[in-house]
Amino acid sequence: DTGVSQDPRHKITKRGQNVTFRCDPISEHNRLYWYRQTLGQGPEFLTYFQNEAQLEKSRLLSDRFSAERPKGSFSTLEIQRTEQGDSAMYLCASSPLKIKEKLFFGSGTQLSVL
Amino acid sequence: DAKTTQPPSMDCAEGRAANLPCNHSTISGNEYVYWYRQIHSQGPQYIIHGLKNNETNEMASLIITEDRKSSTLILPHATLRDTAVYYCIVGYALNFGKGTSLLVTP
Repeated sequence: DTGVSQDPRHKITKRGQNVTFRCDPISEHNRLYWYRQTLGQGPEFLTYFQNEAQLEKSRLLSDRFSAERPKGSFSTLEIQRTEQGDSAMYLCASSPLKIKEKLFFGSGTQLSVL
Repeated sequence: DAKTTQPPSMDCAEGRAANLPCNHSTISGNEYVYWYRQIHSQGPQYIIHGLKNNETNEMASLIITEDRKSSTLILPHATLRDTAVYYCIVGYALNFGKGTSLLVTP
């Protein structure tokens, strides 16, 4: 296993369309996180899972955003009715349960909403 | 979660030590200090973490003051590839703040 992988690397969509991103964490990691990052800012937390349970969601996660981790392995982040303000890098990270603050990040999905 | 304060930017000459400070005056007794860095267009990368003792690994050293209210990340011989944004995180802080943008110059 070489690390956290995210797909796609880049996504261009038109305003109002739905988009879905996938994250495959490091296989033995129980925790999976989603972050959003805009230019000049650090990563902002969106949500995290422990196994298949979604344990925390940020207020940034509006009702247009939904994340799933159905079998406690990969996760998907869906954005419905995209807006231009959703343009950002979406980062996924995973961590082992014993050292939950030691995050391993993927390379991210860059979303551009036109 | 404890809040951290870092300078927005720093410069360092190639080959010299880069010392990146972080203030975390509200840290709790059982909260670890974590450092990450982010090179342009990549996800953040874990560097090192510590509780109260100084730590060293192949990437960097972490010096934590005795009162644990501040720490310093040391890159002993900075290279151009160390140019990145460095984030100091305390405890289970899920947001990264703006970090310190380190520029290593030839």
